[in-house]
Amino acid sequence: QVQLQESGPGLVKPSETLSLTCAVSGYSISSGYYWGWIRQPPGKGLEWIGSIYHSGSTYYNPSLKSRVTISVDTSKNQFSLKLSSVTAADTAVYYCARGDWNDRYYYYYMDVWGKGTTVTVSS
Amino acid sequence: SYELTQPLSVSVALGQTARITCGGNNIGSKNVHWYQQKPGQAPVLVIYRDSNRPSGIPERFSGSNSGNTATLTISRAQAGDEADYYCQVWDSSHVVFGGGTKLTVL
Repeated sequence: QVQLQESGPGLVKPSETLSLTCAVSGYSISSGYYWGWIRQPPGKGLEWIGSIYHSGSTYYNPSLKSRVTISVDTSKNQFSLKLSSVTAADTAVYYCARGDWNDRYYYYYMDVWGKGTTVTVSS
Repeated sequence: SYELTQPLSVSVALGQTARITCGGNNIGSKNVHWYQQKPGQAPVLVIYRDSNRPSGIPERFSGSNSGNTATLTISRAQAGDEADYYCQVWDSSHVVFGGGTKLTVL
């Protein structure tokens, strides 16, 4: 059974960098799939942040790309998110999720999700 | 950028059929996926690639996609189906979500 668990600081100061890690159990990241981050501001909808393959290939949301770095550590079977220069607008629940991607049929969907972690940006 | 339009809310009587739409330009040419999110919980995939159900999802959940509209259909609605539902596509190498629809079971 594949499980994902987010971890990281729950409070980040404005202008600093938000850093989160997603630990994967029950499946080896190196075996395939994309691994991504999604966030949800309080009372709002889902926003995709970006995704990474075990090879390091990435896709990012254009609206966040300049501030986002997603990396993978196959030795620890985990991947990470860094979001720089945060503001109050970055306050959200952050989810990590496994992405099933297919280039031939052109689809990507998220079949396994972590429970999410709340990050508040405040001084 | 590609946009997906969902109604803010849909209501359905207990035991009846709920239909939640997701509009997009020529969305019928894309693969559409649907997620259910209950309060305080992570989203759960309920339909992938237009009409496929992951294991563990009841047959009451079905999907269709044609033209400019994709539809999630929930038959014999139960109180436990009350949740937010999001459609999603892959476009220009990006994940795009609809704004979400709140389903109320009366």
